[in-house]
Amino acid sequence: AQTVTQSQPEMSVQEAETVTLSCTYDTSENNYYLFWYKQPPSRQMILVIRQEAYKQQNATENRFSVNFQKAAKSFSLKISDSQLGDTAMYFCAFRIGNEKLTFGTGTRLTIIP
Amino acid sequence: DAGVTQSPTHLIKTRGQQVTLRCSPKSGHDTVSWYQQALGQGPQFIFQYYEEEERQRGNFPDRFSGHQFPNYSSELNVNALLLGDSALYLCASSLLISGNTIYFGEGSWLTVV
Repeated sequence: AQTVTQSQPEMSVQEAETVTLSCTYDTSENNYYLFWYKQPPSRQMILVIRQEAYKQQNATENRFSVNFQKAAKSFSLKISDSQLGDTAMYFCAFRIGNEKLTFGTGTRLTIIP
Repeated sequence: DAGVTQSPTHLIKTRGQQVTLRCSPKSGHDTVSWYQQALGQGPQFIFQYYEEEERQRGNFPDRFSGHQFPNYSSELNVNALLLGDSALYLCASSLLISGNTIYFGEGSWLTVV
C-alpha cells in the first residue's frame, strides 16, 4: 500500500519570505504522479502543482516549485514571495495511473503580515 | 465552464438516519470519486465511478454506497448514520486517463447528532 507522510503539522512564515513544505511517500511502483493541493478555509481542494515521476525536471507554477527526489521518495513544495492568500492547509498526494489519490495528513501554513 | 458542484452544502442528520449527497462533475469529465475528510485529517478515498460502475473502493463499510448516472453525475448514500460519519464529503472528477488531474468540489458538510 502507498503511504504519504507530511511531518510538519504547522508552519508559519513572514509575508514575502520563502517557505518549504516537506512530503515523503512510499511505493514500490516506478510510474506515478504527485500533487500538492491547497485547502483554504473555504474547504475547496485546489490543485497547486503536479509532477510526473518519469520526468526528471522539477515542476514550476509561478511562485510554486517542487523538489522531486525520486530515489529518496521526497516531494517538497517551495513557495516563494509568500502572500497572505497562501494561508491554507497544504496536502501532498500520490496517484498511480487512474486510481485513487492518497493524501498526507496536511501542513497548516500561516503567512504572517 | 462550471467546475465540480455539490449539494447540499451543509446538513444535519440524526444517528441511524440515511443521507444522500449529490455531485455534478466538471464539464467533459467522465469519472467521479468521493472522499471523506474528518476534521483535521486528510481526505480518505471512498470509491470511484466510471461508466456507471464502481471501479475502485476504499476501506469503507457497505453502509456507504454510490451511483453514477448516464450524465456522469453521482450520488453518495450513507445508511444507518453513526456519529463518526460526521465529516466533509468531497466529490472529485477527472477523465479516466492515467495521471489526469483530479478536480474537487467545495464539499458537503455532514453533521450527525
